[in-house]
Amino acid sequence: GAVVSQHPSRVICKSGTSVKIECRSLDFQATTMFWYRQFPKKSLMLMATSNEGSKATYEQGVEKDKFLINHASLTLSTLTVTSAHPEDSSFYICSARGQATNYGYTFGSGTRLTVV
Amino acid sequence: AQSVTQLDSQVPVFEEAPVELRCNYSSSVSVYLFWYVQYPNQGLQLLLKYLSGSTLVKGINGFEAEFNKSQTSFHLRKPSVHISDTAEYFCAVSDFGNEKLTFGTGTRLTIIP
Repeated sequence: GAVVSQHPSRVICKSGTSVKIECRSLDFQATTMFWYRQFPKKSLMLMATSNEGSKATYEQGVEKDKFLINHASLTLSTLTVTSAHPEDSSFYICSARGQATNYGYTFGSGTRLTVV
Repeated sequence: AQSVTQLDSQVPVFEEAPVELRCNYSSSVSVYLFWYVQYPNQGLQLLLKYLSGSTLVKGINGFEAEFNKSQTSFHLRKPSVHISDTAEYFCAVSDFGNEKLTFGTGTRLTIIP
């Protein structure tokens, strides 16, 4: 079945630094990738949608300069949290969808970001 | 715009008892419906989905859900739960022609031994 690998699973960084999270589709070509943020005991909030080779489309209220998304290939998308602050601490999850996956979305295992 | 309501934030159930997790949605167009399970500190795993056809959908781990268009519901059921079913369950909806998934707030299923 479709597999999405997300790394790192956990990261702790100092306030003011940047952190990159990778999301890779291992056995299919992900034409579209989605990035979500999940607050404790809350639902998933869609941050942005990215199509390979195009600029990401951000949801209302999400700072595009703070959350940089790159989808340079059909198997890799990255989310970079720039100048991270403690309020950016959260669980980030990516999801990928291929062209012929019968409306299937495959999720990564998530990244726990803690900014200290 | 679509929305999903999961009225029960927590559902405790005794082991081997049946369970139903409720999901209602609203949308102005036809929809696709999904149930996902999330274990602690992990991503989401698809349990089942409704795209078209039979309104009773069977998924993994013995779960099933029934699409009821008139009641705009997609409740998840399992006839006999196990300790391993303890997790967070999310209902999600997507409009025809829209790739975005809208998630409910989740239901935490706790199995009592």
